[in-house]
Amino acid sequence: TQLLEQSPQFLSIQEGENLTVYCNSSSVFSSLQWYRQEPGEGPVLLVTVVTGGEVKKLKRLTFQFGDARKDSSLHITAAQPGDTGLYLCALNDYKLSFGAGTTVTVRA
Amino acid sequence: KAGVTQTPRYLIKTRGQQVTLSCSPISGHRSVSWYQQTPGQGLQFLFEYFSETQRNKGNFPGRFSGRQFSNSRSEMNVSTLELGDSALYLCASSLGYGIRDTEAFFGQGTRLTVV
Repeated sequence: TQLLEQSPQFLSIQEGENLTVYCNSSSVFSSLQWYRQEPGEGPVLLVTVVTGGEVKKLKRLTFQFGDARKDSSLHITAAQPGDTGLYLCALNDYKLSFGAGTTVTVRA
Repeated sequence: KAGVTQTPRYLIKTRGQQVTLSCSPISGHRSVSWYQQTPGQGLQFLFEYFSETQRNKGNFPGRFSGRQFSNSRSEMNVSTLELGDSALYLCASSLGYGIRDTEAFFGQGTRLTVV
């Protein structure tokens, strides 16, 4: 079973600051998905990265897939309170296998 | 269009009892998956149903079971509840089965508390 490790576990920052969340595996993965889960809600898909070295942008969110396809990162520029939530990376190999998640709190 | 609907939203049960949770997928979606979310173990896959057949199963005891109806609605059942079964149970629907990287749409979940 391929395990995904996410770091850090918790992140608390002030509005306007930048943050980066990491997702790593000891094995190569063919693709990776990032989800955000807000309190009281289910996870919502943000992006799927497929190609090594790929960079995808979603407004203030930038997703990177490592060249060796063993790691991925999510960078948020000028974080806002609405970015608060649990960020999860997941392998979607016909079923979702999630990392433990990073809880992000953005203080106003 | 309506999203994934899970009922009930909250449930309190006593150890030893059984419980049934319901999930209505997005209209047109034929695959329904169930996940358990706990602070200690995170999000873990329980099982997936497509066309009324269980296609994939996670590493959970036989007390956890499910089924899917012809209209794609799904139910999961947990028998002989244990304190450790307290969790948020999430249902996800997707268009088809066997499609890598397909988008899964989650419901708001059912918060089960076992006392």
